[in-house]
Amino acid sequence: DVKVTQSSRYLVKRTGEKVFLECVQDMDHENMFWYRQDPGLGLRLIYFSYDVKMKEKGDIPEGYSVSREKKERFSLILESASTNQTSMYLCASRTSGSAGANVLTFGAGSRLTVL
Amino acid sequence: AQSVTQPDIHITVSEGASLELRCNYSYGATPYLFWYVQSPGQGLQLLLKYFSGDTLVQGIKGFEAEFKRSQSSFNLRKPSVHWSDAAEYFCAVGLNTGFQKLVFGTGTRLLVSP
Repeated sequence: DVKVTQSSRYLVKRTGEKVFLECVQDMDHENMFWYRQDPGLGLRLIYFSYDVKMKEKGDIPEGYSVSREKKERFSLILESASTNQTSMYLCASRTSGSAGANVLTFGAGSRLTVL
Repeated sequence: AQSVTQPDIHITVSEGASLELRCNYSYGATPYLFWYVQSPGQGLQLLLKYFSGDTLVQGIKGFEAEFKRSQSSFNLRKPSVHWSDAAEYFCAVGLNTGFQKLVFGTGTRLLVSP
C-alpha cells in the first residue's frame, strides 16, 4: 500500500528549540507539500516542492523552512519554535502528471506542542 | 483569489438519516473540486473529485457530490449515514491551469447520533 509517512506523530518542544518534521513518500511523487491544520482555519499551505531541491513558499511560510535533498523526503524545519506554532502538521504528495490526475495523498499528521 | 466556504462548522445527523454537507467556492473559471475526510487522529483521505464531465460524481464509502456551476457549489451527500462516518470533512478547490495548489475550506465536523 502506497503511503506518506510522517515519522513523528506527537512532539513536545520548548520555545526556541529547532524542530524537524520529517515526511517520506514511497510513490515516486515529484510534488510534496506541508500544511498546518488549526481548528476553524482548515488547512493552510506552508511550503511545497516541485521536485528535488526545488521549494516554493505557500501561504504562511513565516517561521518555517524546508529541505528536499531526496525525492522521497521533504522536511519541515522550525528554526526557533514558538508557541503559536503549536499545531497539527500534515505532509502530502502527488504526481506531477496531468492536472486531471492531481490528487494529494496525505500522511497521518504530526501534532506539535510548543511549550 | 480562489476561496472555499463550508458554512457549517458542526453537523449532527442520526444514524440512517441522509446527509448533505455544503461547499461553495469562489473562482473565475471551473476549478477542480475535491472532498476529503479526516477521521480522528488521521490524515486526510480523498472521498471524490470533480474535474469535468458529469456533474454528479460518485466516491468511496457511498458518498456523492454534485457540481452546480450556477451556484458555485459542490455539496457532498450520502443517503444513509453510518456511525463510522463521524469525522471531519474538507472541501477543496484547485486551479485547473499551471501548478495546481489546493485551497481548503475550514471543514465540517460530522457527529452521528444513535
